[in-house]
Order: sequence, then structure tokens, then C-alpha cells
Amino acid sequence: GAGVSQSPSNKVTEKGKDVELRCDPISGHTALYWYRQSLGQGLEFLIYFQGNSAPDKSGLPSDRFSAERTGGSVSTLTIQRTQQEDSAVYLCASSPQGFGTETQYFGPGTRLLVL
Amino acid sequence: DQQVKQNSPSLSVQEGRISILNCDYTNSMFDYFLWYKKYPAEGPTFLISISSIKDKNEDGRFTVFLNKSAKHLSLHIVPSQPGDSAVYFCAASAPYSGAGSYQLTFGKGTKLSVIP
Repeated sequence: GAGVSQSPSNKVTEKGKDVELRCDPISGHTALYWYRQSLGQGLEFLIYFQGNSAPDKSGLPSDRFSAERTGGSVSTLTIQRTQQEDSAVYLCASSPQGFGTETQYFGPGTRLLVL
Repeated sequence: DQQVKQNSPSLSVQEGRISILNCDYTNSMFDYFLWYKKYPAEGPTFLISISSIKDKNEDGRFTVFLNKSAKHLSLHIVPSQPGDSAVYFCAASAPYSGAGSYQLTFGKGTKLSVIP
């Protein structure tokens, strides 16, 4: 079946502009995660959605970052007033129920470059 | 501070030989460990995992060893094949401890090159 998809695959923007990144999880997966990978770094947890529960936003680096998940499926990560340090690959993952031992299935990522 | 460390950014191995990728962690709450493999322009894909009640888990050519006292794990690939060339990420979580149990904490990755 279809895996996790993300769009756009690449995004170049100017400092100060807002960007929206989209994630389509695997159908039926109730848990959705956002990570980012800055150059030379490992993946950094940003936010977690599980079903109708309140999301865990503990990894968001600043209040310029927000995310929502509509209808328990598609998720959008929004970065307002982008800064150059926001340049990174933003990865979305999903898993069936959000249990800690479940495999997280990753999308190909969105490469964001802030000029 | 980095809670999961992969101190070798790269590793080159001859085809057919053993590849050993190492990972160290500092958070004693971690009780579940995973290896992910990543090709360029693709997302990471799950490779193998191990829980803290085991010290070894094997899946075909891939074996993960866990040394809890040393807070160290390693991934062995034998025999190594050119298709194994990728970046390997070590990750850890605390699924048995409750809060934030789903969060994966990743190392920076090791780029493996298998030379034909």
C-alpha cells in the first residue's frame, strides 16, 4: 500500500515568510510524528499526534512553529516568520497506534531552505 | 546534550566483510533501541530493534548487540553488500516508562560505504 507522503519535496523561501509543510500518513495509522534533521545532526522530535488526544508539542523549538492534524489524517506543519536556522529536512512519520515499540514509518521529507 | 551518540560519521568496508556500527547512549531511562537506514532523498526505514531485556537480536544478515552496563549498542552486518551503503541511525526510546514513550531520540548517523 501507499507509504507516508510529504509535500512539497523541496521548498526555498525568504527569511520572514511563512511556510506550510504537508504530511499524508499511512491510511489507518492513528499516530503521526514530525521530526526535523538539520545539517550534520540527527533527527529531532518536534510534535506527536495520536487519535483525538491533545498533541505533544514539547519538541517544537519556538512559538513560530505550529502543527495541526485535520480529521485524524493529514497534518500540516506551519513555520511563521522563517529564519535561516529553520533550514532543515522536515520528516513526517506515522505508526498504527502510537505504542512506543511500534515501527515508525517515515516519509521522504521536505527539504526547506530559508535564504 | 546528545543523549544518543554515534561517534563515527563514516565507515568503509569491503564487500563480504563485516560492518560494525556503534552507538552509545547516556539516558538510563531508554529501554528500547532501534536502527534505521536512510538512502539519499528518502526517509529513514526501520531495520532492527532490541529491548533492554535482551542483549542480542538477529534478523538475517543484521544483528544488534546491547550492553546495558556500558550503555552501548552495535549493529553488525555480515556479509556486507554494496546495497547496504547508506546512512545508519541509532535511535532510542523509553516505551515502558510512560510519558513521552513514543519519542525517538536519534544519533547523528554513520555513513556506511561498502566497496565492491
